[in-house]
Amino acid sequence: DVQMTQSPSSLSASVGDRVTITCRASRSITSYLNWYQQKPGKAPNLLIYGASSLQSGVPSRFSGSGSGTDFTLTISSLQPEDFATYYCQQSFITPPTFGGGTKVEIK
Amino acid sequence: EVQLVESGGGLVKPGGSLRLSCAASGFTFSSNGMNWVRQAPGKGLEWVSSVSSTSSYIYYADSVKGRFTISRDNAKNSLYLQMNSLRAEDTAVYYCARDGFSYYYGSGTYYHRPNFDYWGQGTLVTVSS
Repeated sequence: DVQMTQSPSSLSASVGDRVTITCRASRSITSYLNWYQQKPGKAPNLLIYGASSLQSGVPSRFSGSGSGTDFTLTISSLQPEDFATYYCQQSFITPPTFGGGTKVEIK
Repeated sequence: EVQLVESGGGLVKPGGSLRLSCAASGFTFSSNGMNWVRQAPGKGLEWVSSVSSTSSYIYYADSVKGRFTISRDNAKNSLYLQMNSLRAEDTAVYYCARDGFSYYYGSGTYYHRPNFDYWGQGTLVTVSS
């Protein structure tokens, strides 16, 4: 299976901050990398697919980049509603696998 | 509006069985692959199983292979997960999720590259004596 490693596992940030979350795959997954946001008690929500494509309805402050094994999710200016847990997921090799999550908390 | 509504969760003893259902609406159900994804309490996300749009291709996580069976009924716009020989480690919220990407090509080969673009609200399965 492809192992997905996210860093950091948690971070504290303020409204307006630029936030970057990293995801590393144990082997190349080309651009088959997706990002999700999950708020407590809710289902995950797809933010980015194909490493850099913004899902419909997702604010443009979210962006993704990377290919191969190293990927990044960036929130350009953190908003109050962005405090949540973020997961990466590879879809290149079955089984699809998720990273362990990054919890973004209020500083 | 796409809606996925799970049902069938509950408390079951180890070794028992449970059948989850997911009712879909707001899209052409027969056009998309479908998935089950679970989340143990306080833990991360784990993919469980996928079924292609015509049920020709089915995939399972190793952790559930031989115990769980995914199926779908396109006439009823419904997805199912039959769970047998349940273990304590199967305790989780189970989400039904639509596949926004995988597709058939050529002479019926399936390109399984799922992203999960719509999710249900989840149903809790607790396995405990």
